[in-house]
Amino acid sequence: DVKVTQSSRYLVKRTGEKVFLECVQDMDHENMFWYRQDPGLGLRLIYFSYDVKMKEKGDIPEGYSVSREKKERFSLILESASTNQTSMYLCASSGTGEYYEQYFGPGTRLTVT
Amino acid sequence: AQSVTQLDSQVPVFEEAPVELRCNYSSSVSVYLFWYVQYPNQGLQLLLKYLSGSTLVKGINGFEAEFNKSQTSFHLRKPSVHISDTAEYFCAVRSYQKVTFGTGTKLQVIP
Repeated sequence: DVKVTQSSRYLVKRTGEKVFLECVQDMDHENMFWYRQDPGLGLRLIYFSYDVKMKEKGDIPEGYSVSREKKERFSLILESASTNQTSMYLCASSGTGEYYEQYFGPGTRLTVT
Repeated sequence: AQSVTQLDSQVPVFEEAPVELRCNYSSSVSVYLFWYVQYPNQGLQLLLKYLSGSTLVKGINGFEAEFNKSQTSFHLRKPSVHISDTAEYFCAVRSYQKVTFGTGTKLQVIP
């Protein structure tokens, strides 16, 4: 059974803290994605990676960075968390090729106070 | 550029009634089309996808979708819904590595 796991289901952080969200997939997928999900806005792409150490900005990269040192792991970093980054964060992976579907993790609900 | 429109943010329907969730897209290149479902407190999972061939695509849990190229639509249907279908449904288009999601439709099945 394919699996995408995320390090935390719920996370509460203070404004200004550095936050790390981890995602691991066991399907040997080349592509990995980070989205944030907000009510009424659907899923918005923050960053994606198409190979180890390779990344591209998505639609809303401001305030975020990513790291992919190993193929199976993709990290999202909030350098200095702000309250407007309170959201649900979803990680996904897929094979290379636009006909491949994405596999999603369960999500991390981040609250920044 | 590509975009996806799900006009209905919420759709209430009685149990055992049919349902249609609408999805329209726009793109300047060929795209592949997907429907995902998100149950409460879970990530998204694939319902079905259209790659090529027959325009009627069957997915899991009795759902199907029809691709209409002239109307740039990919509407999702189920002839008889069950309480367990209560969830949020997302339409998505993919070209190259870019995936664009709609804003989602919450299906509420009323007993």
